[in-house]
Amino acid sequence: SAVISQKPSRDICQRGTSLTIQCQVDSQVTMMFWYRQQPGQSLTLIATANQGSEATYESGFVIDKFPISRPNLTFSTLTVSNMSPEDSSIYLCSVEDWAGGYGYTFGSGTRLTVV
Amino acid sequence: GNSVTQMEGPVTLSEEAFLTINCTYTATGYPSLFWYVQYPGEGLQLLLKATKADDKGSNKGFEATYRKETTSFHLEKGSVQVSDSAVYFCALRGTSGSRLTFGEGTQLTVNP
Repeated sequence: SAVISQKPSRDICQRGTSLTIQCQVDSQVTMMFWYRQQPGQSLTLIATANQGSEATYESGFVIDKFPISRPNLTFSTLTVSNMSPEDSSIYLCSVEDWAGGYGYTFGSGTRLTVV
Repeated sequence: GNSVTQMEGPVTLSEEAFLTINCTYTATGYPSLFWYVQYPGEGLQLLLKATKADDKGSNKGFEATYRKETTSFHLEKGSVQVSDSAVYFCALRGTSGSRLTFGEGTQLTVNP
């Protein structure tokens, strides 16, 4: 299965600042997904990122708040902009990994606290 | 649209008890179904999956069978251990598109 390295694993940030989260995959993948998991909640899809095109955002999420880059087939970043305490969540990236029949692989997550 | 409904938690069991976590879904056609586990402080790990009706996924003593007639994918384990304490998520991938739809998650606590 694909292996994802996600950084940082956790951070405490001041409100009004921005944080960029990185995901590096050890193989080329077409689609990468970014999720938010608010405390005690399930996962909510933020956006889907294809290489070479604009990310597709889900309802309730906008590019100005969560800009995404996807410069190649193994890397993506998600930026959480102008943060407020309501942005405190776990952010996870994920890739489809059907080559080995595996399904989906997730990064270990970024635990963000905004103070 | 697609949706996944899990039994409400939290679930607390004693070690060696039998576990069932119910999961039902709404989707058109034949989605692929997954169970993911999230241990404290960690990301999601695939526990098992099934891609067609009547398939049984199994891993680490956990099992789930894809029941098209009841649109269900219930997770079972015959004898739970303290180390199984985690949050369990049922999820589906629809027949159109690649996104996963998750259930609400079920917190399982196993006491010695």
